[in-house]
Amino acid sequence: QVQLLQSGSELKKPGASVKVSCKTSGYVFTSYGISWVRQARGQGLEWLGWISTFNDKTKFSQKFQGRVTMTTDTSTAYLVLKRLTSNDTATYFCARAGSSSWRAASCDHWGQGTLVAVSP
Amino acid sequence: QSVLTQPPSVSAAPGQKVTISCSGSSSNIGDNYVSWYQQFPGTAPKLLIDDDNQRPSGVPARFSASKSGASATLAITGLQTGDEADYYCATWDNNLSAGVFGTGTKVTVL
Repeated sequence: QVQLLQSGSELKKPGASVKVSCKTSGYVFTSYGISWVRQARGQGLEWLGWISTFNDKTKFSQKFQGRVTMTTDTSTAYLVLKRLTSNDTATYFCARAGSSSWRAASCDHWGQGTLVAVSP
Repeated sequence: QSVLTQPPSVSAAPGQKVTISCSGSSSNIGDNYVSWYQQFPGTAPKLLIDDDNQRPSGVPARFSASKSGASATLAITGLQTGDEADYYCATWDNNLSAGVFGTGTKVTVL
């Protein structure tokens, strides 16, 4: 069965960086893209970006341009968010998305979420 | 703020029908497939509808969706207490070159 298993919770100080991993299994990794979505407590879903697992092409929300990096390695996807502020405190989800960027919002399997807390 | 607008909440009695609207523009809903997600508190979203109106395997037929122009609608018939959750629409936006989610709608079963 398709599974996306994310790394554990993180507590970071303002200005630091965080790296979240998303280990996938149960499908051909390079046949789908990976989208990253976050959700602050009590708030809605926010799309951060998408990466092609085939050629590492990326698309990012303009809000995070210059501050976010997405990479892949074998069957694992990684999200790095730099220069953290308290506004970045949220649960971060990886999700299996379409293989084309315009299918980045079509996510049929999701990780369990990783809580990233940013506090002095 | 999101480019996709949903009503904050909808409610109905068990067995009734609710509809959730998702209003966008020609650069997103008007030109790309819409997906709908169901999310219970503390859990990851679940894909409910893909490609405007396609239900993934295992999603009950009580859930249906449609699209017209720059707006999409999710309908839930035969409402059950287990349907109480947050619902989000999502699509790609050509102008932003980014994925976008709706503002989210909380469904309450009275």
